[in-house]
Amino acid sequence: QLQLVESGGGVVQPGRSLRVSCAASGFTFSSYALHWVRQAPGKGLEWVAFISYDGTNKYYADSVKGRFTISRDNSKNTLYLQMNSLRAEDTAVYYCARDASHFGSGNIDYWGQGTLVTVSS
Amino acid sequence: EIVLTQSPATLSLSPGERATLSCRASQSVSSYLAWYQQKPGQAPRLLIYDVSNRATGIPARFSGSGSGTDFTLTISSLEPEDFAVYYCQQRSDWPLLTFGQGTRLEIK
Repeated sequence: QLQLVESGGGVVQPGRSLRVSCAASGFTFSSYALHWVRQAPGKGLEWVAFISYDGTNKYYADSVKGRFTISRDNSKNTLYLQMNSLRAEDTAVYYCARDASHFGSGNIDYWGQGTLVTVSS
Repeated sequence: EIVLTQSPATLSLSPGERATLSCRASQSVSSYLAWYQQKPGQAPRLLIYDVSNRATGIPARFSGSGSGTDFTLTISSLEPEDFAVYYCQQRSDWPLLTFGQGTRLEIK
């Protein structure tokens, strides 16, 4: 069945970097656009970044633009989020999520279970 | 940025009752509105997309309606497993996606 499994979360100091990953299975990874969405503890959902099926189009929320980079490796069925210059307000569960289309529509149809990133000294 | 405001913040009902959840947009989102359900410790699950289309495997007791700026998620007869937090999300402002702050549906 379709699975999105995030990994790489942990505790990191402010100003440092971290990369989280999302391994996909159960569908043709290279045919779908993908998103990262985060959820701060006890809070709502915040869209973070998008990448098209082939990696040519990428978009970011203003809150992370210039600090985070989304990428994908279709040969490994894996999505990445490189997070630099981390701040306390980046503390959240980071979800990998599938868009329902190749190029991106904003219709998010499947979500992973998330990985917790805690930014703290 | 399109702001989505959900009401009420918390809804207390009993199993078997009808639930009506509201989502209001700060400007028109046409028909580009979705609803998600999230249970504690779990990922969100897509219920409804483009206002009224049920996602795969979603029971018929879940329905969506509305257009423009005012939208409703209705659960016709609550089952014990329906008590959760519900979020609306717009994609009209693509690629900027925004979510409402959530409505907590709790057992009365």
